[in-house]
Amino acid sequence: AQSVTQPDIHITVSEGASLELRCNYSYGATPYLFWYVQSPGQGLQLLLKYFSGDTLVQGIKGFEAEFKRSQSSFNLRKPSVHWSDAAEYFCAVGGYSSASKIIFGSGTRLSIRP
Amino acid sequence: GAVVSQHPSWVICKSGTSVKIECRSLDFQATTMFWYRQFPKQSLMLMATSNEGSKATYEQGVEKDKFLINHASLTLSTLTVTSAHPEDSSFYICSARAASGGTGELFFGEGSRLTVL
Repeated sequence: AQSVTQPDIHITVSEGASLELRCNYSYGATPYLFWYVQSPGQGLQLLLKYFSGDTLVQGIKGFEAEFKRSQSSFNLRKPSVHWSDAAEYFCAVGGYSSASKIIFGSGTRLSIRP
Repeated sequence: GAVVSQHPSWVICKSGTSVKIECRSLDFQATTMFWYRQFPKQSLMLMATSNEGSKATYEQGVEKDKFLINHASLTLSTLTVTSAHPEDSSFYICSARAASGGTGELFFGEGSRLTVL
């Protein structure tokens, strides 16, 4: 079965500190992995995605994620967070074909401490 | 990048009425579109997969007679919430992937907030 687990519901970090958001997935084939960000009342914006190749993926806004097949993880990182990074972050998994559905994790809410 | 447009962005209706939400892919063709529902402070729940020219595929627990989906063309899918009730109030988001080629990325509409009085 296809599933995504984001174990951290809410994380608070100080501005300028490093960040890591956890994501574990379950998928029967080669997964297509995504991280999306959502600001309150807004739609979703893609931060980065991984399908194959280099397991360390660079995204927008200084984010990166590392795919670890042995751990079924795709954790999101940022070396130094900014107050504008406060938002809800969703990890998602699916297949590559256009008809493959994509399932989202429960999300992690990120708060930034001044 | 590819754009998915959703309309209306918000709607308020009386209980018992039906509401239609449109989802359009503006610069690419999408044989498949997805409809998600999001409750406040919760994740996106996949409701159904909309297939151009055929019936939608609904996720378990989603009432197909309640949430009617029509995928009339390669660029348009509609979700109709029939006989809406207050518990149907939610944020509905559509998404689409390019029919062929592309990066496989799922593009999202801006969402439609439905409030049923």
